[in-house]
Amino acid sequence: AQSVTQPDIHITVSEGASLELRCNYSYGATPYLFWYVQSPGQGLQLLLKYFSGDTLVQGIKGFEAEFKRSQSSFNLRKPSVHWSDAAEYFCAVENGGSQGNLIFGKGTKLSVKP
Amino acid sequence: EAGVTQSPTHLIKTRGQQATLRCSPISGHTSVYWYQQALGLGLQFLLWYDEGEERNRGNFPPRFSGRQFPNYSSELNVNALELEDSALYLCASSLGLAGGDTQYFGPGTRLTVL
Repeated sequence: AQSVTQPDIHITVSEGASLELRCNYSYGATPYLFWYVQSPGQGLQLLLKYFSGDTLVQGIKGFEAEFKRSQSSFNLRKPSVHWSDAAEYFCAVENGGSQGNLIFGKGTKLSVKP
Repeated sequence: EAGVTQSPTHLIKTRGQQATLRCSPISGHTSVYWYQQALGLGLQFLLWYDEGEERNRGNFPPRFSGRQFPNYSSELNVNALELEDSALYLCASSLGLAGGDTQYFGPGTRLTVL
């Protein structure tokens, strides 16, 4: 069965520092991968997605992610974090076949120090 | 263009009652998904509707049900409410593509069961 692992439950970075959030997936075929962000009490906002092609994907708010098939990873990066980036980040993979749904990781909560 | 909308924002019920949650998809989207985000359990897939039909459901009891209307809006019904049904219920919509579909989420309905 497909699964997504986000090894870091909580990460704290200083404002202006770089950020990398880890995501590993388990999927037999070429996965469709997503990163979403959720501010407290809010819904999910799509940051970026990978379907095929270039393995480095650019998203909104200055985020990017790199798909590495050999490592089954899809890590999210940002070169310089802003205080407004404090939120919870979810990695997801589209369930295979005709299932339709997304399978989410447990999320990584990002705190930003001034 | 309007995003996915959900109503109500908050809903308070007592054990044994029924709750009805509503979702309006993005214009042009035919698929609607429901997810439950309960404390400590992460984001779990509930139901997927497309073109008025239920296409898939997650591992939830039958007291979780729903429907999709001809205008593609959707309703989630939860019967015989239990305390553990307290959660944020998120609705998402998509174009209903087979593979590589992007789900856009609404702000959610916070259900509290007392």
